[in-house]
Amino acid sequence: DAKTTQPNSMESNEEEPVHLPCNHSTISGTDYIHWYRQLPSQGPEYVIHGLTSNVNNRMASLAIAEDRKSSTLILHRATLRDAAVYYCIPTSRTSGSRLTFGEGTQLTVNP
Amino acid sequence: DGGITQSPKYLFRKEGQNVTLSCEQNLNHDAMYWYRQDPGQGLRLIYYSQIVNDFQKGDIAEGYSVSREKKESFPLTVTSAQKNPTAFYLCASSTDRGLIYGYTFGSGTRLTVV
Repeated sequence: DAKTTQPNSMESNEEEPVHLPCNHSTISGTDYIHWYRQLPSQGPEYVIHGLTSNVNNRMASLAIAEDRKSSTLILHRATLRDAAVYYCIPTSRTSGSRLTFGEGTQLTVNP
Repeated sequence: DGGITQSPKYLFRKEGQNVTLSCEQNLNHDAMYWYRQDPGQGLRLIYYSQIVNDFQKGDIAEGYSVSREKKESFPLTVTSAQKNPTAFYLCASSTDRGLIYGYTFGSGTRLTVV
């Protein structure tokens, strides 16, 4: 499995954009990059995923570096409900059943 | 609404007792998973099942057992052989192995062994 590096914690103000980085330098050329988030005392929630191109959905945007060794999850306007642990997870097409969670980034959103 | 139901939300057991955690899904997903989470840490995979009547060990299967007799159900038994069973247990399911549509997680069962 590809190793990931994320900052332990980040802080943002409400209604400001947040850029959550992830390094995955050992990612395979065919691995997807998935992002999940986990609110306190809840199960993780799927946020977004991508392969090579940048992706947008109603929750967030995902910017993937051209060499695919890093990606950035972008929350365009943080709200208090976005306070959570965010996990970046390279997902192999061959072993998609083995999501490997690191420790993620704890995002704090200040009012 | 479709989803995953884990029950109970909180569970207390005495040391040395086996305990079974329930996980039911009505999403018609083929694959189901069990994860364990300790405070301040990420999730670790215990067992997973891609089809009925078949399952594989994850990274920390020792002291746990599962069954998959129905597509909708994937119960986890924490046996007395599990040395440190107190943790937050999460069940998940997926179609397409989670590659495109991701995993759907339940809300978890917090097990405390006293």
